[in-house]
Amino acid sequence: KNEVEQSPQNLTAQEGEFITINCSYSVGISALHWLQQHPGGGIVSLFMLSSGKKKHGRLIATINIQEKHSSLHITASHPRDSAVYICAVRLRTSGSRLTFGEGTQLTVNP
Amino acid sequence: DTGVSQDPRHKITKRGQNVTFRCDPISEHNRLYWYRQTLGQGPEFLTYFQNEAQLEKSRLLSDRFSAERPKGSFSTLEIQRTEQGDSAMYLCASSLATPYEQYFGPGTRLTVT
Repeated sequence: KNEVEQSPQNLTAQEGEFITINCSYSVGISALHWLQQHPGGGIVSLFMLSSGKKKHGRLIATINIQEKHSSLHITASHPRDSAVYICAVRLRTSGSRLTFGEGTQLTVNP
Repeated sequence: DTGVSQDPRHKITKRGQNVTFRCDPISEHNRLYWYRQTLGQGPEFLTYFQNEAQLEKSRLLSDRFSAERPKGSFSTLEIQRTEQGDSAMYLCASSLATPYEQYFGPGTRLTVT
């Protein structure tokens, strides 16, 4: 079993829909990252959080440390949001390196 | 600042050949990380440096892999005697020691034929 599990693996939505991607982890962490990867490989950091909630534009990330769970929400989704969204954690025992989930492929249709 | 850069962006090589990739981090970042990503999977950690010191290596980094960061700036990742299973995207990232947020380069896609 992976230390970081994401769901769903694939998600198709219509433009304007509210989207939620979930991430669960099984070990103690010092931080959780949400990343976006577009075709061609480039990865962009969206959020780094260790508690509570962060918002940036139409993106919201939440984390519940007790339940070892995080969610990434996209409001008013747009076709340009189509990408792979990856959850990654910094384990308490592993210094600063990241352990990644397998990613969620999001497709937003116009 | 131009961000993290990697060179080359694509590399096709024959099995058994050696390849070397370069990563230039964001200039003030003292930490540099290498990850490998195969198709449809999330990235996997390979190794990381703080300045010129290699602080951690994954067991994925077999004897055929070596990484250096000689002056604490750019880093190279060499794969000797490449195998088809080495075909992947090799990603480099850099960060400050705190707050640890990592900035990723565009990756080098390796295809071993």
